[in-house]
Amino acid sequence: EDQVTQSPEALRLQEGESSSLNCSYTVSGLRGLFWYRQDPGKGPEFLFTLYSAGEEKEKERLKATLTKKESFLHITAPKPEDSATYLCAVINNAGNMLTFGGGTRLMVKP
Amino acid sequence: ETGVTQTPRHLVMGMTNKKSLKCEQHLGHNAMYWYKQSAKKPLELMFVYNFKEQTENNSVPSRFSPECPNSSHLFLHLHTLQPEDSALYLCASSHFGQGESYEQYFGPGTRLTVT
Repeated sequence: EDQVTQSPEALRLQEGESSSLNCSYTVSGLRGLFWYRQDPGKGPEFLFTLYSAGEEKEKERLKATLTKKESFLHITAPKPEDSATYLCAVINNAGNMLTFGGGTRLMVKP
Repeated sequence: ETGVTQTPRHLVMGMTNKKSLKCEQHLGHNAMYWYKQSAKKPLELMFVYNFKEQTENNSVPSRFSPECPNSSHLFLHLHTLQPEDSALYLCASSHFGQGESYEQYFGPGTRLTVT
């Protein structure tokens, strides 16, 4: 059974204070690892897909990296508008079902 | 409209009511999904439809009944729900097939409250 664990559950940062969110996973043959952003009361917004260890993707202040056991979402000089819950999910080679982690709730204070 | 749309956005229903949630995707995808999101719990996959055929039913109670008439539309029919079914119900869609990345795109959700 695929499993995804995200840490920390909640993270409070000052504006401009860089940090990283962790996503640890076990999967029977990784097809892809996905990062999403979710604002309260809204659906998750797709951010990145990572396919293999060593891969990196960037978007504005966000950078996602992947190893064989975990992924990190690095946030550089965050702004209050980066406050949201960040979700990590994996898909294995057997099908097209996402397994989600519990998310990290990020709060950035001005 | 673009992306994935869901109606209604909010729904309050009694335990004896029957209602339906609607989802429509405008992305040319061929797979659609229903998820349940409850407070303090990870997103739970409920149903998967690939090419209009249901391929997964993740042990969902029979009071939830999905329908996928074509690859662009997905419904979730609700009847005799319980208060613990109150949650945010999310629809998603993706490509499905050889060589596809399976990135799922989500709608805004329907906030369901069962009284």
